[in-house]
Amino acid sequence: KQEVTQIPAALSVPEGENLVLNCSFTDSAIYNLQWFRQDPGKGLTSLLLIQSSQREQTSGRLNASLDKSSGRSTLYIAASQPGDSATYLCAVIPGNTGKLIFGQGTTLQVKP
Amino acid sequence: GAGVSQTPSNKVTEKGKYVELRCDPISGHTALYWYRQSLGQGPEFLIYFQGTGAADDSGLPNDRFFAVRPEGSVSTLKIQRTERGDSAVYLCASSPLHRGGIYNEQFFGPGTRLTVL
Repeated sequence: KQEVTQIPAALSVPEGENLVLNCSFTDSAIYNLQWFRQDPGKGLTSLLLIQSSQREQTSGRLNASLDKSSGRSTLYIAASQPGDSATYLCAVIPGNTGKLIFGQGTTLQVKP
Repeated sequence: GAGVSQTPSNKVTEKGKYVELRCDPISGHTALYWYRQSLGQGPEFLIYFQGTGAADDSGLPNDRFFAVRPEGSVSTLKIQRTERGDSAVYLCASSPLHRGGIYNEQFFGPGTRLTVL
């Protein structure tokens, strides 16, 4: 059974810091991995999608990497801003299904 | 263009009542998903539609939960005899057609917050 774990559960950093959020999954047979952002009381906003054949994706100050063999992904946020404060969720699609399996998220606070 | 919409945004009901939650996906998206999110947790998969048919309903917790998508667009999640444990945010997502094992990005709606008293 595929399980997704995110560490740390919460993180507080001063504005301007570069930071890394971690995601690990137990079964390397995945089709893709997706990172989301969730603001309090809101739905999920897709940040980056990495197909299983890819190693990384970049969007603006965000960079996500994928290492299937070790069952890990990282989300790198450069020059963090208070507006980056939110919960970040990692999710994988296991082999031959369309459903996402989510981690519990990392809640990020960026202090001005 | 318009994103995924869900109605109502909030629903308060009493234990034992029947509720319907509606999802309107992005136009042209053939795949539609329902998830449930409890406080402090990541979303959990409920059911997945490819077109009109349920391709995977393995996440439905029991037979009180049912979902339909009769015309391959709007979907309704139906919960009978609601229980307090059903209280959660119900999220809907849609995605373009999946081809050859390539699963595309899922786009989520704002969710329906269900409270069972």
